[in-house]
Amino acid sequence: AQRVTQPEKLLSVFKGAPVELKCNYSYSGSPELFWYVQYSRQRLQLLLRHISRESIKGFTADLNKGETSFHLKKPFAQEEDSAMYYCALDNAGGTSYGKLTFGQGTILTVHP
Amino acid sequence: DVKVTQSSRYLVKRTGEKVFLECVQDMDHENMFWYRQDPGLGLRLIYFSYDVKMKEKGDIPEGYSVSREKKERFSLILESASTNQTSMYLCASSRGGQQETQYFGPGTRLLVL
Repeated sequence: AQRVTQPEKLLSVFKGAPVELKCNYSYSGSPELFWYVQYSRQRLQLLLRHISRESIKGFTADLNKGETSFHLKKPFAQEEDSAMYYCALDNAGGTSYGKLTFGQGTILTVHP
Repeated sequence: DVKVTQSSRYLVKRTGEKVFLECVQDMDHENMFWYRQDPGLGLRLIYFSYDVKMKEKGDIPEGYSVSREKKERFSLILESASTNQTSMYLCASSRGGQQETQYFGPGTRLLVL
């Protein structure tokens, strides 16, 4: 069975400090991984996906198949990065395309 | 711009009541999803639909049912609400296929007394 684990429920950093939100997964096939974010009083939205290899709002995430990880990183955190972050795995295959398995979420707080 | 709307932002119901949560999307998406969001548990998939009248159980379908009579509308039904169904409910939609972005509604916070 697919599983996504985010080991930190809460993460606090100061503005300008590097930040890393951890995500580990278990999946027998080729993983398709995403990070979703929910800012205060906003709806959940896509932040980035590994297939695009893009940097959004200064965040990047590298898929490490050896360690089965997809950690989200930003070199210099900003106060507006404070939000709930979810790592998610796409359960590819058959009619289950597009179905996501989410992690437990990490609340990031960036202090001034 | 994709828009996913949910019928209520807040709902208070009594134990045993039948509860309907409605979700509508305006982008002709094939896939629609219902999740519940609980602190420390993340998002858990309740039900999923990949076409009109088609549905598939998610990870926690017990106590819930769904209906998709039209492509744009996906309803979540709590046949007999219980206090452990107090939660935030999120609807999402996406195009069919792999690696498609899911677009979420604003959520319905349900309190069952």
